[in-house]
Amino acid sequence: AQKVTQAQTEISVVEKEDVTLDCVYETRDTTYYLFWYKQPPSGELVFLIRRNSFDEQNEISGRYSWNFQKSTSSFNFTITASQVVDSAVYFCALSEARGTSYGKLTFGQGTILTVHP
Amino acid sequence: NAGVTQTPKFQVLKTGQSMTLQCAQDMNHEYMSWYRQDPGMGLRLIHYSVGAGITDQGEVPNGYNVSRSTTEDFPLRLLSAAPSQTSVYFCASSYSWGTQYFGPGTRLTVL
Repeated sequence: AQKVTQAQTEISVVEKEDVTLDCVYETRDTTYYLFWYKQPPSGELVFLIRRNSFDEQNEISGRYSWNFQKSTSSFNFTITASQVVDSAVYFCALSEARGTSYGKLTFGQGTILTVHP
Repeated sequence: NAGVTQTPKFQVLKTGQSMTLQCAQDMNHEYMSWYRQDPGMGLRLIHYSVGAGITDQGEVPNGYNVSRSTTEDFPLRLLSAAPSQTSVYFCASSYSWGTQYFGPGTRLTVL
C-alpha cells in the first residue's frame, strides 16, 4: 500500500523567509510519480510539479525548488523568499505508474503555510 | 477549453436524500476520478475510471456510485446521504500517464 506523510501540519513564516515543506512517501513499486499541488484560500487545486521516480534531478522554477531523494523516500519543496501570495495548503501526492494505477493519487494530509507581511 | 467543470458548487442535503454531483471535461482525457477532502486527511480517492464504461473503486467508495457512459462525463451519485458524507468533493481528469487536473470542487453539507 502507498502512503504519503506530510509531518508539518502548519508552518508560519514572515515574508521573504525561505521555507521547506517536507514530504515522505512509501511505495513498493519501483516506478512511480510524485506531485505537489497548491490549494489557495479560494479552494481550487493547482498543479505545481510532477516527478518521475527515475529522475532524481532537483528542479527549480522561479522561487520554487524541489529536492527528490529516493534514498530517504523524500520529495521536499522549498519556497525561497516567501510572499504573502504563497499562503495556501500544499499537498504532496504519489501515484504508481503501472496499468490503471496511474489514475489513483494518494495524498498526504497537507501543510498549511501562512506567510505574514 | 473549460477544463474540468463541476456542478453544483454548493449543496445542502438532508439525511437520506439522494443527489448526483456532476463532472465534465472537454480535454478528451481517458482518466477521471472523484476525491473527497476532509480536514486533516488530505484528499481520498472515491472512484475512478480509465475510460468510458470502465470504473473501479478507490479508497473510500462506500455510499457512492459512479458510471461513465461518455468520455466527457463522470457523475458521482449519493444514494442515501449521511452526515459522514459532508465534505468537499473534487473531480479530476488526465491523459494516461498524464498529470491530473482538478475541477473547482463541490462543497456538500448533509444535515
